Amino acid sequence: DSGVTQTPKHLITATGQRVTLRCSPRSGDLSVYWYQQSLDQGLQFLIQYYNGEERAKGNILERFSAQQFPDLHSELNLSSLELGDSALYFCASSPGQSSPLHFGNGTRLTVT
Amino acid sequence: AQKVTQAQTEISVVEKEDVTLDCVYETRDTTYYLFWYKQPPSGELVFLIRRNSFDEQNEISGRYSWNFQKSTSSFNFTITASQVVDSAVYFCALSPPNFGNEKLTFGTGTRLTIIP
Repeated sequence: DSGVTQTPKHLITATGQRVTLRCSPRSGDLSVYWYQQSLDQGLQFLIQYYNGEERAKGNILERFSAQQFPDLHSELNLSSLELGDSALYFCASSPGQSSPLHFGNGTRLTVT
Repeated sequence: AQKVTQAQTEISVVEKEDVTLDCVYETRDTTYYLFWYKQPPSGELVFLIRRNSFDEQNEISGRYSWNFQKSTSSFNFTITASQVVDSAVYFCALSPPNFGNEKLTFGTGTRLTIIP
């Protein structure tokens, strides 16, 4: 068990809808990262937050947004969903910039 | 630009055989970190190891060993006496230490199947 908790485990929704994925980092970890794993793109970095502030952005679509709350949990919001957004979304946390990432179990999103 | 190549898409071996997963990387950075992660059928990503480019010593952890060769830009992973529980997708990854995890580049993964 990595200590990173993601909910829900599975999500099935329709195109055009909006969903929120939730992540609780390991105790003491200030950094939260979101990754998308799809069959065609592999593991792609989306966005990072550090202690409530956005720190880095990767290949995140404008339809997607995230935030990190004062208790350090994070939410990834996906809107105007398309079929191509179907993927496994991982949250990871680390205590610092260069510390290894520890991943949650992921949220499998299916857009129908 | 960074790149990680895992040329072996899928490997199948019979239980108790040894198996080596290849990882070749490209980077212009003089210092960097290399990682291996395991993704079992249940889906989670499990951190296995991180190596600093300064440290070219091979590492052994139980049945797992890693061979880092800077001269060939490779960081190969060997499982000795494989077991069914080793069946998973294994990812090699690379990051420059100065920029942190947001620059973590993953390979496409190698799916390892251990046949009982």
